[in-house]
Amino acid sequence: EAGVAQSPRYKIIEKRQSVAFWCNPISGHATLYWYQQILGQGPKLLIQFQNNGVVDDSQLPKDRFSAERLKGVDSTLKIQPAKLEDSAVYLCASSMGQGIYEQYFGPGTRLTVT
Amino acid sequence: AQSVTQLDSQVPVFEEAPVELRCNYSSSVSVYLFWYVQYPNQGLQLLLKYLSGSTLVESINGFEAEFNKSQTSFHLRKPSVHISDTAEYFCAVKNQGGSEKLVFGKGTKLTVNP
Repeated sequence: EAGVAQSPRYKIIEKRQSVAFWCNPISGHATLYWYQQILGQGPKLLIQFQNNGVVDDSQLPKDRFSAERLKGVDSTLKIQPAKLEDSAVYLCASSMGQGIYEQYFGPGTRLTVT
Repeated sequence: AQSVTQLDSQVPVFEEAPVELRCNYSSSVSVYLFWYVQYPNQGLQLLLKYLSGSTLVESINGFEAEFNKSQTSFHLRKPSVHISDTAEYFCAVKNQGGSEKLVFGKGTKLTVNP
């Protein structure tokens, strides 16, 4: 079974530029998550989708971050414009559903904003 | 809101020594508890979880954790570590019902030396 795929793996941009990350979850997984992991900290949930609807985006900085999950499968996370403090690893995870289902994580995208 | 405290940011040990990684949580409701492991340049992998039932849970590679409700703890232990156990370990908590958010601790970097 293929795991969660993310691209790109690494990205370096200058502040005020835009960037987008892509995630392809495990086939059949209804729930998709985006996390931000700043160096030295644990992952922090940015947004959770159930199929193509948003369940929780309370910690998403909506003035600069946006995310969508078209057709309830792939998802993109965008930052526009980027700030220095956005430097982090962005992790995508998926699960069969909410509740007790295990979350499977992708390898992450390491973003460096200079 | 729930929270997780991992008391040690770094734990160095020698090969074949025992190890304990500490985790305490805070929540006003019943919780599910998880330990994830992150090897260098890889995504998070679920190591073990407590959902209900026996308070002692085990992983396939010799780790175990015990849920202690009175002390609100979920410490991770292994009686004899290997070089290959070198990684970062994250404790996480999810409230039963209500918010589905998985909240992570800041992580403990375990380094096993020969």
